Amino acid sequence: GAGVSQSPSNKVTEKGKDVELRCDPISGHTALYWYRQSLGQGLEFLIYFQGNSAPDKSGLPSDRFSAERTGGSVSTLTIQRTQQEDSAVYLCASSFSDRANQPQHFGDGTRLSIL
Amino acid sequence: QKEVEQNSGPLSVPEGAIASLNCTYSDRVSQSFFWYRQYSGKSPELIMSIYSNGDKEDGRFTAQLNKASQYVSLLIRDSQPSDSATYLCAANDGGNKLVFGAGTILRVKS
Repeated sequence: GAGVSQSPSNKVTEKGKDVELRCDPISGHTALYWYRQSLGQGLEFLIYFQGNSAPDKSGLPSDRFSAERTGGSVSTLTIQRTQQEDSAVYLCASSFSDRANQPQHFGDGTRLSIL
Repeated sequence: QKEVEQNSGPLSVPEGAIASLNCTYSDRVSQSFFWYRQYSGKSPELIMSIYSNGDKEDGRFTAQLNKASQYVSLLIRDSQPSDSATYLCAANDGGNKLVFGAGTILRVKS
């Protein structure tokens, strides 16, 4: 597709379960970013990839959160032992390169609800 | 002080008027600036980017950047009800991540 694709669009799971969120960036975009948007909160940076490397993981809130990217394309964000405070919309964005002036284009997000 | 600050609004303007959205930023984020529009329940959509002092126009949208005063604004001319959304100001810290403001809710009344 032409845009950033995320799946699933919605995920409801029980506290303590692990979840995997997937992001497929725009074709040709080398940089990929994960953000989180909680109810009433702004967008919060989590991690970014340039190719398959993650130079900046500073936004990951705890060691329960991890992400990987393979083949310079698809990325997976994994949350282990989910907690209720993990409930949020997880947004993925991609850009042509990781240069500061490159605009980031967002996918539709995964709405995660922890019961 | 937050790195990127916006008035949460709501900002209400009548249809056809100019909507003016403002954003201030700290010294730590001062490289590239972006305006995103976010409809309720949808993802942010890029409207404008601006990197140099002055004005940048694209259709009904004008972005203005004043680095000396550390503010960036977005003007929407001939506002339409379809412009009603939350507008997010974002700044890049010269690295790679965007720092977002909390967003300003715009309501255009017909």
